[in-house]
Amino acid sequence: DQQVKQNSPSLSVQEGRISILNCDYTNSMFDYFLWYKKYPAEGPTFLISISSIKDKNEDGRFTVFLNKSAKHLSLHIVPSQPGDSAVYFCAASEFSGNTPLVFGKGTRLSVIA
Amino acid sequence: EAGVTQFPSHSVIEKGQTVTLRCDPISGHDNLYWYRRVMGKEIKFLLHFVKESKQDESGMPNNRFLAERTGGTYSTLKVQPAELEDSGVYFCASSSTVNYGYTFGSGTRLTVV
Repeated sequence: DQQVKQNSPSLSVQEGRISILNCDYTNSMFDYFLWYKKYPAEGPTFLISISSIKDKNEDGRFTVFLNKSAKHLSLHIVPSQPGDSAVYFCAASEFSGNTPLVFGKGTRLSVIA
Repeated sequence: EAGVTQFPSHSVIEKGQTVTLRCDPISGHDNLYWYRRVMGKEIKFLLHFVKESKQDESGMPNNRFLAERTGGTYSTLKVQPAELEDSGVYFCASSSTVNYGYTFGSGTRLTVV
């Protein structure tokens, strides 16, 4: 039973446009959420996180939105660049990050020049 | 600073054999985690060390898996005897504080044939 779901296995976006990656979760105890980016043959790299006390966190071109009532978060990348092409994993944790991360299956983003 | 190092990067073994994976965390990081990704599925937690102690091993699949972290530095994960379903990419991660976007290694791709 997946607690973190990324329902889109892949996404293609034109360079310069906005990429929106979505993530849903079922465990209402999750209170800390992260996005990781993964290139082939490399480990996941931490991108951005958000605590449940916030509904938005921004870092440069990356913004994460959290809708607790819908148990939904999204990652916005704008403008998208070819170097953003990678697999993006959503992850969640309980107790402000003091429990192991629960990951989704990932979404492969392709940014087309 | 050096990142999280995992060895070997690839391993192909026959069913029934033994394999030992090694992880060298970032120097000074007390927290060390093992995760595994079976092809096409989510990245799943295996266990968490704080220094040399096992803080949480709830994700270990069965007693064929043995993890150690002698002296609180590097860690090993032994699979004995290996089964076909053990194939996947094994990631190690480390952090100075619990969770909060810890650093992953590049992973060991294990193939059991």
